[in-house]
Amino acid sequence: DAGVIQSPRHEVTEMGQEVTLRCKPISGHNSLFWYRQTMMRGLELLIYFNNNVPIDDSGMPEDRFSAKMPNASFSTLKIQPSEPRDSAVYFCASGRGAGDTQYFGPGTRLTVL
Amino acid sequence: GESVGLHLPTLSVQEGDNSIINCAYSNSASDYFIWYKQESGKGPQFIIDIRSNMDKRQGQRVTVLLNKTVKHLSLQIAATQPGDSAVYFCAEKGGNRDDKIIFGKGTRLHILP
Repeated sequence: DAGVIQSPRHEVTEMGQEVTLRCKPISGHNSLFWYRQTMMRGLELLIYFNNNVPIDDSGMPEDRFSAKMPNASFSTLKIQPSEPRDSAVYFCASGRGAGDTQYFGPGTRLTVL
Repeated sequence: GESVGLHLPTLSVQEGDNSIINCAYSNSASDYFIWYKQESGKGPQFIIDIRSNMDKRQGQRVTVLLNKTVKHLSLQIAATQPGDSAVYFCAEKGGNRDDKIIFGKGTRLHILP
């Protein structure tokens, strides 16, 4: 079975540019999570969806960040405009429910210059 | 200047010895606990979980112990191997159905040759 798929795996962009990260959850999973991991803050939950509906976005740092889940098999995390402090590894994870085991993708390493 | 990163506790273990990684959780109402392993450059990977109605669960070379009285969780790895070198996260979930899984800060396991 394919696990969680994320693209791109690496992204280097310049400050001010728009960045879109993509995620395909495991088929049959109803919950999808976006995390950010940095040396300074560790693993932070940004937002999670249940049945394609955003449930909790309290971890989204500011209005520059937005996430969508148009269908059960696809989600995006967008940063516009990007800033150097957004540099991090962004993980997508999916699970059968919000409180069930989460399966993580390989992550997208974002570098904003 | 030098950036200050998240200080992770580090456990150094001789190859072949048993490892014990400890975790204190915060919510006495948590009823589901998970251990994840994160190798360098990869996303966190599920290892083993335990529900609050149990105090011990065994997997392949791993055992999780739960002490609800003192809100303590441990992961025991038998006959530690070089491939066990990683950061280990404990995670907890509250007792309500829609509660999120909350991740701890992580412990780095370093294997000595």
